[in-house]
Amino acid sequence: DTGVSQDPRHKITKRGQNVTFRCDPISEHNRLYWYRQTLGQGPEFLTYFQNEAQLEKSRLLSDRFSAERPKGSFSTLEIQRTEQGDSAMYLCASSPSGGGYTDTQYFGPGTRLTVL
Amino acid sequence: GEDVEQSLFLSVREGDSSVINCTYTDSSSTYLYWYKQEPGAGLQLLTYIFSNMDMKQDQRLTVLLNKKDKHLSLRIADTQTGDSAIYFCAERPDTGRRALTFGSGTRLQVQP
Repeated sequence: DTGVSQDPRHKITKRGQNVTFRCDPISEHNRLYWYRQTLGQGPEFLTYFQNEAQLEKSRLLSDRFSAERPKGSFSTLEIQRTEQGDSAMYLCASSPSGGGYTDTQYFGPGTRLTVL
Repeated sequence: GEDVEQSLFLSVREGDSSVINCTYTDSSSTYLYWYKQEPGAGLQLLTYIFSNMDMKQDQRLTVLLNKKDKHLSLRIADTQTGDSAIYFCAERPDTGRRALTFGSGTRLQVQP
C-alpha cells in the first residue's frame, strides 16, 4: 500500500522562473488537496479536486498559481513567475469519497520550494 | 470563519504524560483532527473526533473534547523520545467544504 507521493521533494529556483510540482494520491482516492506550509506555521489550504473537477480554491491561490488533475488521478501545481514569498513546503493530501470520517485526509511528504 | 489556536511549546520527561491543547472557534458541527509532523516530513494522521463525541481513546492517545468551551486536548501516555515532533490540531466544519483549518502547531520536546 503506497501513500501519497510528491515529486520533486526539493526545488530551488530563481525569482521569476516557473515551477511545477506533481502529486500522486493514494490509489482509489478521488479527492485531492493542495496546501502550503511556511516555516513555523500550520498548513494553509490552497485548492481541492474531486476527480478531475476543481471544487474549492482559496484566496491564497493567486493568478500565478494553477492546479490541474486532468484524468482524476495525479495532479500538478504550477507557480508562474515565482517570488521569494512563494518559498514554502507544498503539501498534497488525498481522501476517499464519502462524508464523515471517511473524508480523512492523508498527506504526502511535501515539496520544499526555495526561491532565490 | 474558522480559527484554531495552540500553545507553541511543551517539554516533558520520557515516561510522563503529555497534554497538548487546542481551541477552535467554528460554531457548527465539526470534525477535529490531530496530526504529527517530524522535521522535514509531511503530516501523519494520529486520530480524529467528531464534535458530538466527548472522548476517544486509541492506544496511548486520548482525545478529550469540551464542546462548550470549544477546547480539544490530546493526551499521550508514557511519552517516548520518538514522540518528539510538532503536533497540529485541525478542524473541518460539517458544511460540505473540504478544507482543513490548522493551528500553528505545538512543538513537543521529550527529554530522556
